[in-house]
Amino acid sequence: NAGVTQTPKFQVLKTGQSMTLQCAQDMNHEYMSWYRQDPGMGLRLIHYSVGAGITDQGEVPNGYNVSRSTTEDFPLRLLSAAPSQTSVYFCASSYGGVQETQYFGPGTRLLVL
Amino acid sequence: GENVEQHPSTLSVQEGDSAVIKCTYSDSASNYFPWYKQELGKGPQLIIDIRSNVGEKKDQRIAVTLNKTAKHFSLHITETQPEDSAVYFCAAPAERGNEKLTFGTGTRLTIIP
Repeated sequence: NAGVTQTPKFQVLKTGQSMTLQCAQDMNHEYMSWYRQDPGMGLRLIHYSVGAGITDQGEVPNGYNVSRSTTEDFPLRLLSAAPSQTSVYFCASSYGGVQETQYFGPGTRLLVL
Repeated sequence: GENVEQHPSTLSVQEGDSAVIKCTYSDSASNYFPWYKQELGKGPQLIIDIRSNVGEKKDQRIAVTLNKTAKHFSLHITETQPEDSAVYFCAAPAERGNEKLTFGTGTRLTIIP
């Protein structure tokens, strides 16, 4: 099993550009989530999904969009990038929810100029 | 929603000594408390968790204690080794459910050889 994979590893964007961060898992996990990690602020939940076709907002959803058309994939879209979205983004998955082991991907480092 | 506070933000200990990291939470109904370890350049990885029906859980050199009355839980690492150097995060369910996780702000642990 590859576990949770994320692409790209690193990306530089200009303000106003859009992009999609990819996340995939091969563990047949129902629950998937996106976090951003900023210095001194820990991990903050952006969006999550409890299964294909179901998504919901986390703590910091503004400026981000998600969809879940398959169990395996959970892409995160930045609609119009802003410097405040410079961060490291982690995707995570688990079988049934947050009260069990979350498997994190290796992260995507995003720089918005 | 849940508020999780983590202390200290940085911790340096001599190799072989013990390290203790403490977290407090706000929602008395919270019932699941995981600890994640993040090595440099990687995603977080679960190292131990505890549920509210027990007061302590051990796994080799790592232990977690839970005080429900005071609403705090702690990570204890004994006989520290250089590979214990990492950032550690505590977490608790953000709401009374299984869909959102609130993380602490992290503790950077450095083991001094």
